[in-house]
Amino acid sequence: AQSVTQLDSQVPVFEEAPVELRCNYSSSVSVYLFWYVQYPNQGLQLLLKYLSGSTLVKGINGFEAEFNKSQTSFHLSKPSVHISDTAEYFCAVTPYGGATNKLIFGTGTLLAVQP
Amino acid sequence: DAGVIQSPRHEVTEMGQEVTLRCKPISGHDYLFWYRQTMMRGLELLIYFNNNVPIDDSGMPEDRFSAKMPNASFSTLKIQPSEPRDSAVYFCASSLGPRVETQYFGPGTRLLVL
Repeated sequence: AQSVTQLDSQVPVFEEAPVELRCNYSSSVSVYLFWYVQYPNQGLQLLLKYLSGSTLVKGINGFEAEFNKSQTSFHLSKPSVHISDTAEYFCAVTPYGGATNKLIFGTGTLLAVQP
Repeated sequence: DAGVIQSPRHEVTEMGQEVTLRCKPISGHDYLFWYRQTMMRGLELLIYFNNNVPIDDSGMPEDRFSAKMPNASFSTLKIQPSEPRDSAVYFCASSLGPRVETQYFGPGTRLLVL
């Protein structure tokens, strides 16, 4: 079985400051990793994904994430945030090569960007 | 394409009433997923369909919940009878093929059971 832990339920940050949202996972098999963003009153949108290859993954809106297998982490970061980045961010995993199509989500981190 | 369409967007009902949530997937997508989002448990997969056939319903909380997909363009999630603990945001998602990263999410239905 897999599980995802997002260590921070809320991250307040000032505009133009850097931010890192933390994600750790637990799995007995290899996994694919994802970050989704949910803007207020909207559904989830895929921000970026790690399937294989380079451990540094770039996504939309200037976000990137680094897969660290030894630390079982997939932290999301952005060097300079904007007010419009205020949203909830979800880390998710799915087993590599498994028959399931399930996404297992973390509980989410609310990024609150202040002027 | 209009994306995944869910209705209603908001539903307020009283305990014991039947609730039906509706989803129209993106045309041509052959997978459909129902998720529930709560503060306590986050996002959970309830059930998913492939070509209108339920594949995995292990996430459905109990017998009060049922889901159907009578055709490729329509699915329902029904709660009967509803309880206050069912209050949550219910998301529908669809994808072309089983790749999870290709799932497109609808805007969700916010359900409040009084």
